[in-house]
Amino acid sequence: GAVVSQHPSWVICKSGTSVKIECRSLDFQATTMFWYRQFPKQSLMLMATSNEGSKATYEQGVEKDKFLINHASLTLSTLTVTSAHPEDSSFYICSARWDTKDQPQHFGDGTRLSIL
Amino acid sequence: TQLLEQSPQFLSIQEGENLTVYCNSSSVFSSLQWYRQEPGEGPVLLVTVVTGGEVKKLKRLTFQFGDARKDSSLHITAAQPGDTGLYLCARNNDMRFGAGTRLTVKP
Repeated sequence: GAVVSQHPSWVICKSGTSVKIECRSLDFQATTMFWYRQFPKQSLMLMATSNEGSKATYEQGVEKDKFLINHASLTLSTLTVTSAHPEDSSFYICSARWDTKDQPQHFGDGTRLSIL
Repeated sequence: TQLLEQSPQFLSIQEGENLTVYCNSSSVFSSLQWYRQEPGEGPVLLVTVVTGGEVKKLKRLTFQFGDARKDSSLHITAAQPGDTGLYLCARNNDMRFGAGTRLTVKP
């Protein structure tokens, strides 16, 4: 089946640091990638949708200058949490989909971000 | 804000019991996915339902899509401890998830 790789799986850093998370589709071309945030014991909240070669579409309440998304190729999207603070600590998950809206998403294994 | 309602929010049962969880929306789904997520991992796709009234089976799991395509259910027969996890429905047209049902199956 389709494979999405997310890296790193775990990161701990100091407040004020910027952190980059990578999401790669390994065996298919992802025309669309999605970034989610998940707090403990809660569901996934969509942060933004990115299409290859264009600017990401952010959900209401998500700061685009805080969470920078780049989708420069059909196999790679990155999420950069700029000047991270403890309240940004969360589980970040990406997913990828190819072709049309009828196709399901395939998820990475997530990145656990802890800001001290 | 969750646009999909899932119920129950929590469910704890004994091994061997049957259960049903639900996913509802006030608007029509173009298609809907069910996922299962374990702690510290990404969601894993179980099934996609597209046609109103559709029923799909995956071993002990039976998925139904309502005739009006506004609701769906997941039924598990003879639950096992390995079924423990967070069950999520997602609406394919905007990729939003329900709040999930956290299932615990006790041995």
